[in-house]
Amino acid sequence: KAGVTQTPRYLIKTRGQQVTLSCSPISGHRSVSWYQQTPGQGLQFLFEYFSETQRNKGNFPGRFSGRQFSNSRSEMNVSTLELGDSALYLCASSLAAYPGNTIYFGEGSWLTVV
Amino acid sequence: DQQVKQNSPSLSVQEGRISILNCDYTNSMFDYFLWYKKYPAEGPTFLISISSIKDKNEDGRFTVFLNKSAKHLSLHIVPSQPGDSAVYFCAASAAGGGADGLTFGKGTHLIIQP
Repeated sequence: KAGVTQTPRYLIKTRGQQVTLSCSPISGHRSVSWYQQTPGQGLQFLFEYFSETQRNKGNFPGRFSGRQFSNSRSEMNVSTLELGDSALYLCASSLAAYPGNTIYFGEGSWLTVV
Repeated sequence: DQQVKQNSPSLSVQEGRISILNCDYTNSMFDYFLWYKKYPAEGPTFLISISSIKDKNEDGRFTVFLNKSAKHLSLHIVPSQPGDSAVYFCAASAAGGGADGLTFGKGTHLIIQP
């Protein structure tokens, strides 16, 4: 079956702009989470959605937001982009939002802020 | 404060030998652990997981060992193959709904020498 699909794969934005990234989870998966990967900080948890509800949020400013639709697809938005937001943004899905469920990652969206 | 630590940024192993990747954690609430493999420009790929009720889990060439008292886990790859060259991430999650996302180590770059 198809894996986690993220679009776009690569994008370049200017400081101050906003960006929306999209994620389609594995069919049947209801939990979608987002992670940011940077060389200095590694992989960091942004937020997680389950049944259209944000269940938890990592330690990121309010400029980072997301949502989940009734078909489990998810989007994340970053407003007022800063240079430090340049990173690989990874979406992951799992069957349900509790431990013991393996999380599967997409290939990520590479964001460069100039 | 890093709750999951991979103290070796890189490891070089000869093809055919055993690769041992180590991970330490500090949060005693963690009860589910996963290993992911990541190639450049791709999302992490799930390898193997272990619940805290076990001390060993095996899947083909991959075995994960968990020492709860030492808050330490390790991934053994036997025999190591050239395709195993990648960055390996250790990740952990805690009970209570699992809504905190995964906490990742910063990764170990495994290099398999021919």
